[in-house]
Amino acid sequence: GESVGLHLPTLSVQEGDNSIINCAYSNSASDYFIWYKQESGKGPQFIIDIRSNMDKRQGQRVTVLLNKTVKHLSLQIAATQPGDSAVYFCAEIGGAAGNKLTFGGGTRVLVKP
Amino acid sequence: DTEVTQTPKHLVMGMTNKKSLKCEQHMGHRAMYWYKQKAKKPPELMFVYSYEKLSINESVPSRFSPECPNSSLLNLHLHALQPEDSALYLCASSREGHLNYGYTFGSGTRLTVV
Repeated sequence: GESVGLHLPTLSVQEGDNSIINCAYSNSASDYFIWYKQESGKGPQFIIDIRSNMDKRQGQRVTVLLNKTVKHLSLQIAATQPGDSAVYFCAEIGGAAGNKLTFGGGTRVLVKP
Repeated sequence: DTEVTQTPKHLVMGMTNKKSLKCEQHMGHRAMYWYKQKAKKPPELMFVYSYEKLSINESVPSRFSPECPNSSLLNLHLHALQPEDSALYLCASSREGHLNYGYTFGSGTRLTVV
C-alpha cells in the first residue's frame, strides 16, 4: 500500500497466520522488482526479487506475485513470526531509468503474539 | 565482507556547521548510492555513482556534496543545512551491470540539524 501523510498503512497479523502485503507500481517499463524489509534503526534488507518475465517467485516462507496487467506486486509471508514485524517496501528498477532503484510506499507489519 | 558500513550512526549539527557522512564497502561493487529517508516515508534517491563518477543527481540542493574517492568509499559533505534536512541518510552499493542488481544498504546515519 501507499503511505498517506504521516501514517504508514499497518497490517496486524496473528503469529502463525499468513501475511499479504500489496504494492502498486507506476512504471510499466520497470523490469525488476524487489521487496525490502526495514526494521527500526536499520537500513532496508533484501527479501526477495522478481523479474518482469515471471509472475511468481518463492523463497523461504516468502512468495512474490507480479501482475503486470494491473501493475500490482504482492508479498506473501507464510507462518508470520514476531521477527517479521517491520516496515516492508516494494521497489522497482528498469525502463528508461536504468538501474535507478525507486521505492514505493511502505506497509508496517505488526505481529501479535 | 558483505556489508555496507556507514559512519557516524548519529550526527547532530548546527546550521552553520560542515560535516561529512562516510560509507564504505568491500564487495567489489562499482555502483554506490545515497538515499534520504524521512520518518514514515520510503527512501528517496539523491545521488548515484557509477565507476567512481557521478551519474545521477536527483536535483539535490548544493548544500549536499557527494564525493567518491575510490571504488570502496562514498562521502556526503554537508554544509549550511536546514532543519528540514534532518533524516536518515542511507548508503547502498550494487554490482552495476550484473543481471542480479543486488543492492546492499547500510544501516544509515541519523542526522539532526538544529
